[in-house]
Amino acid sequence: DAKTTQPPSMDCAEGRAANLPCNHSTISGNEYVYWYRQIHSQGPQYIIHGLKNNETNEMASLIITEDRKSSTLILPHATLRDTAVYYCIVRFRGNDYKLSFGAGTTVTVRA
Amino acid sequence: DGGITQSPKYLFRKEGQNVTLSCEQNLNHDAMYWYRQDPGQGLRLIYYSQIVNDFQKGDIAEGYSVSREKKESFPLTVTSAQKNPTAFYLCASSMGRDRARQPQHFGDGTRLSIL
Repeated sequence: DAKTTQPPSMDCAEGRAANLPCNHSTISGNEYVYWYRQIHSQGPQYIIHGLKNNETNEMASLIITEDRKSSTLILPHATLRDTAVYYCIVRFRGNDYKLSFGAGTTVTVRA
Repeated sequence: DGGITQSPKYLFRKEGQNVTLSCEQNLNHDAMYWYRQDPGQGLRLIYYSQIVNDFQKGDIAEGYSVSREKKESFPLTVTSAQKNPTAFYLCASSMGRDRARQPQHFGDGTRLSIL
C-alpha cells in the first residue's frame, strides 16, 4: 500500500468546517483513498472513500486532487463529538485484506 | 440496527489461561477480521475469514486461534502461548467481493488485561 502523510494534530472551532489534509504521493492507479476516525476507547469508524472523483456522504466530503497525490477530508460543520484521531489510508484494489493505519491526525474541536 | 457486537468490553486473563473474545455481526457480511491495537499504535491483523469454515493468518497470528462456523460469528481465542496479550482487540467485517471497494466496519473492541 502507498504510504500516507498526515499532520499530527489540528484544532478546529465548533461549527466551522474542518479540512484534514493527506499526502499520498506514491499512490497507484488502482488504490483507493479511505478515511476512518477513532474516538478514544472505541473502534474505528468508517467515514468515506474514493478512487478519483470527489465524494460526499452524510458525514463528510472527500476531495482528491487531479493527480491523486493528495486528498482532503472536509467535515462541514464540526461538533465536539468530532474530536477523534482521523486516519487516511490507501488500499490496493487486489488481494489486500488488512487496513494499515498510520499515526493519523488528532483533531480537537473546541467550543 | 445492524452492526458488530464485541463482548465482553473488558476482560482479564490469568497467566496460563486461554480466553475467548466474541464477535457477532448482523450485517450479512461475508468477510470478518480480527485486529490488535497497542497504545499509540496502529492496527495489526491477527486473522481474517472470507467465508464460513475458512480463515487465514494475518501478520501476528502466533498465540491466537479462531473459528468461523457461522457467517455471523468469528470468535478469537487468546491462548497461553501469547506472551504479551494485553491490548485492545478489534473485530471488523466487510462485504466479500472486491475488497478494496468495500469498507471494513468495526465493533467497539474488547480490552484484554493480564492479572
